[in-house]
Amino acid sequence: AQSVTQPDIHITVSEGASLELRCNYSYGATPYLFWYVQSPGQGLQLLLKYFSGDTLVQGIKGFEAEFKRSQSSFNLRKPSVHWSDAAEYFCAVGAAGGATNKLIFGTGTLLAVQP
Amino acid sequence: NAGVTQTPKFQVLKTGQSMTLQCTQDMNHNYMYWYRQDPGMGLKLIYYSVGAGITDKGEVPNGYNVSRSTTEDFPLRLELAAPSQTSVYFCASSTTSGGSTDTQYFGPGTRLTVL
Repeated sequence: AQSVTQPDIHITVSEGASLELRCNYSYGATPYLFWYVQSPGQGLQLLLKYFSGDTLVQGIKGFEAEFKRSQSSFNLRKPSVHWSDAAEYFCAVGAAGGATNKLIFGTGTLLAVQP
Repeated sequence: NAGVTQTPKFQVLKTGQSMTLQCTQDMNHNYMYWYRQDPGMGLKLIYYSVGAGITDKGEVPNGYNVSRSTTEDFPLRLELAAPSQTSVYFCASSTTSGGSTDTQYFGPGTRLTVL
């Protein structure tokens, strides 16, 4: 069955420090992978997505993610975190060529940023 | 361009009451979705629609109904509300091209409490 695992429920980093949020997926076919961010009281906003091609994907707000098929991972990174990055981050997997466009979401990682 | 809008933002119901959560998108997207988000559980798909007049069940459809009479609107109906339906509900929409999974755009959510 398809699944997405985000091992870290809660992460705290200092402002200016680097960040890596982990995401592992289980999917039988070629996956489409997404990272979304949810600020408090808001809906989800797309940070970046991977469909094919270059395995290092650049997104908005200075985020990037790397697709590693051998590790079934799609970790999100940022070299220097800003206080405004405090939010919840969700990884999701979708079907390549799927007719329904359905996504499977991970349980999320809550990021806190210390001054 | 408002994107995806949801009403109401907050709602409190008593057990056994019914209500409809409204969702409208102005992006002419053919696909629409309803998710519920429970703490620590990520997003679970309730129902989705691939176009006007076509709906299908997601992962957690029990206790809910949907209809899609127009491209823009995708209301979610709770017929006999139960405390287990206390959650935050998100509506999303997306388009597809060539059957590929495309980005889902989310509304701001409806926070529902069932007493």
